[in-house]
Amino acid sequence: DAGITQSPRHKVTETGTPVTLRCHQTENHRYMYWYRQDPGHGLRLIHYSYGVKDTDKGEVSDGYSVSRSKTEDFLLTLESATSSQTSVYFCAISGGAEQKETQYFGPGTRLLVL
Amino acid sequence: AQKVTQAQTEISVVEKEDVTLDCVYETRDTTYYLFWYKQPPSGELVFLIRRNSFDEQNEISGRYSWNFQKSTSSFNFTITASQVVDSAVYFCALSGGIKAAGNKLTFGGGTRVLVKP
Repeated sequence: DAGITQSPRHKVTETGTPVTLRCHQTENHRYMYWYRQDPGHGLRLIHYSYGVKDTDKGEVSDGYSVSRSKTEDFLLTLESATSSQTSVYFCAISGGAEQKETQYFGPGTRLLVL
Repeated sequence: AQKVTQAQTEISVVEKEDVTLDCVYETRDTTYYLFWYKQPPSGELVFLIRRNSFDEQNEISGRYSWNFQKSTSSFNFTITASQVVDSAVYFCALSGGIKAAGNKLTFGGGTRVLVKP
């Protein structure tokens, strides 16, 4: 299994507060991704990174920002959380030597915004 | 734009029955990659298989088999002799690869499989 951890695994916060989710990998993969999973929508890409300090927007990026200062860490920030951002957030990585197109997922973070 | 459609939202079978999950995709890329992921009740996403658009060879791996047909843009997945542990949500996904805007995955809506003992 790919070495991917997410923290925190569960979080409850209030509307308007900032929230940062962390994804950490030990695989030295170049690409990292943040997805959200919601009932009726499946998984949707929020942001992705193709290298240190190189990031780009995904399908549902409004209200989110990301940063990647080291290969192993990819941070997702909700500047001012809203109830519509209640979701399960998954981090993924790809770019290994074999099957570099295959994305491996972290365990997920369940976020509840009250 | 890419699109993945899993028309079956839920399938219920009795243990030992075969289950086939349908996946239809749309893409303008000439090279692309198709995936199946499994999400058991515990919530994690488990990679099952990847297929390249230039490799239409179908595969059997244990009780799992895949049928990739480029002519009909379909990538179906079959579980033979289903078991209770196969109960999960299965996602089909599509990407254009690393060279196509960072290998972003487009997911289908998922098919929930319930295997009853």
